[in-house]
Amino acid sequence: DQQVKQNSPSLSVQEGRISILNCDYTNSMFDYFLWYKKYPAEGPTFLISISSIKDKNEDGRFTVFLNKSAKHLSLHIVPSQPGDSAVYFCAASQGAQKLVFGQGTRLTINP
Amino acid sequence: GAVVSQHPSWVICKSGTSVKIECRSLDFQATTMFWYRQFPKQSLMLMATSNEGSKATYEQGVEKDKFLINHASLTLSTLTVTSAHPEDSSFYICSATSGPYGETQYFGPGTRLLVL
Repeated sequence: DQQVKQNSPSLSVQEGRISILNCDYTNSMFDYFLWYKKYPAEGPTFLISISSIKDKNEDGRFTVFLNKSAKHLSLHIVPSQPGDSAVYFCAASQGAQKLVFGQGTRLTINP
Repeated sequence: GAVVSQHPSWVICKSGTSVKIECRSLDFQATTMFWYRQFPKQSLMLMATSNEGSKATYEQGVEKDKFLINHASLTLSTLTVTSAHPEDSSFYICSATSGPYGETQYFGPGTRLLVL
C-alpha cells in the first residue's frame, strides 16, 4: 500500500527554467509534508516542509504547494541550477509519527 | 545546525559476523532516532524507531533479533546487524528528530554495508 507516490521516476529540465516535482498521497490523516534531496551514497538532505494548515511555503528558490482536496503536493525550483540535479523524495507524516516516503524523482538539470 | 553523523561510512565484512553502525546527533539532542535501509533504485524503507532509554519499535517484517538497536543517550543510537548475510548488504541511513513535535527528520550520511 503506497501511501505516498511520486509517479515520475525522472525529470529533465533546462538550466534556468522551473522544475516542478509532484507527489500524491492517499492518507488524509497526514498533516506534515517534507521534501528531501538526495545524492548517491549520501543521506537525504532536508529541503522544505509544509504543514496541512498552509497551502504554500517558500524558501529561496524552493516553493512547496499543498492541495489538500486533491491530496497533492508539488515542489517548485526556480531558477533550476546544475547543482539541483539529484533524487528528490517527498515524505509525509501524521504529527510526529514516522515519515512515509515516496519512491523519489531523479531530477536532471541540463546546461 | 541539525547535523547527524554516521560511522562507519562503509564496511565490508564476512558472512556470519556482526557489524555495528553508530548514529550521532552532533549539535542537538535527539528525542527520537530512526533507522532506514535503501536498496538500489528504491525508496527509503523504515526499519525501526527508537527513543532514548526505551526499546525500539520495529516495522513489520524487520527481525528485531537480527537488527539490534540501542539508543543509549540523546545523541547516540547504534544499529548492530548480527550474523550478517549477503542479503543484508544495503545502504543504512539513520535520522534524528528533536523538540516536542519533531516532525522534521535530519539524516546522517549513510553507511554502505557489503557482506561477502
